[in-house]
Amino acid sequence: EDQVTQSPEALRLQEGESSSLNCSYTVSGLRGLFWYRQDPGKGPEFLFTLYSAGEEKEKERLKATLTKKESFLHITAPKPEDSATYLCAVQETGNTGKLIFGQGTTLQVKP
Amino acid sequence: DGGITQSPKYLFRKEGQNVTLSCEQNLNHDAMYWYRQDPGQGLRLIYYSQIVNDFQKGDIAEGYSVSREKKESFPLTVTSAQKNPTAFYLCASSLPGQGHEQYFGPGTRLTVT
Repeated sequence: EDQVTQSPEALRLQEGESSSLNCSYTVSGLRGLFWYRQDPGKGPEFLFTLYSAGEEKEKERLKATLTKKESFLHITAPKPEDSATYLCAVQETGNTGKLIFGQGTTLQVKP
Repeated sequence: DGGITQSPKYLFRKEGQNVTLSCEQNLNHDAMYWYRQDPGQGLRLIYYSQIVNDFQKGDIAEGYSVSREKKESFPLTVTSAQKNPTAFYLCASSLPGQGHEQYFGPGTRLTVT
């Protein structure tokens, strides 16, 4: 069965304390892996798409990487405004745009 | 500004009533999706549509219905057959096919008592 698992479920960091979030996946064929940020009570905001192992993408303090089994979202010197839930989703090869979402990692950055 | 709108933001209904959630997009996207989000769980796909006048069931379609009569609109009806309708409902759209990110609306929080 296709599956996406994110860890940890929750992460507390001090401002400036770098860390990584993990997204491991099991699909028969990966078409794309997507990272989103979600603030409480709001819709997810698109961050990155990764298509193949070895690919990396960066945006401000965030960097996403991809291997054949997992993706990491690295957060460098986080600020309180980075506090949010980060969602990972995968799209399997086929003929639809369906996404399979993980449960998310809730990040809290304290000043 | 292009985007996705969902209305209303909060919706309250009595058990046994059907309710329709609105989703409109002006991104000119062919594909649209409905997800449900419950506390501590990831987004689960209810229905999706890749083109006007066509839609498919997602993973949890029971108790829900949709229509896609216009490219811009993809309303979701939560019927009285849905056993646990209280949830946060999210609509999304994307370019058709694969490899394209989905863009989400602000969501509708439905409470059924």
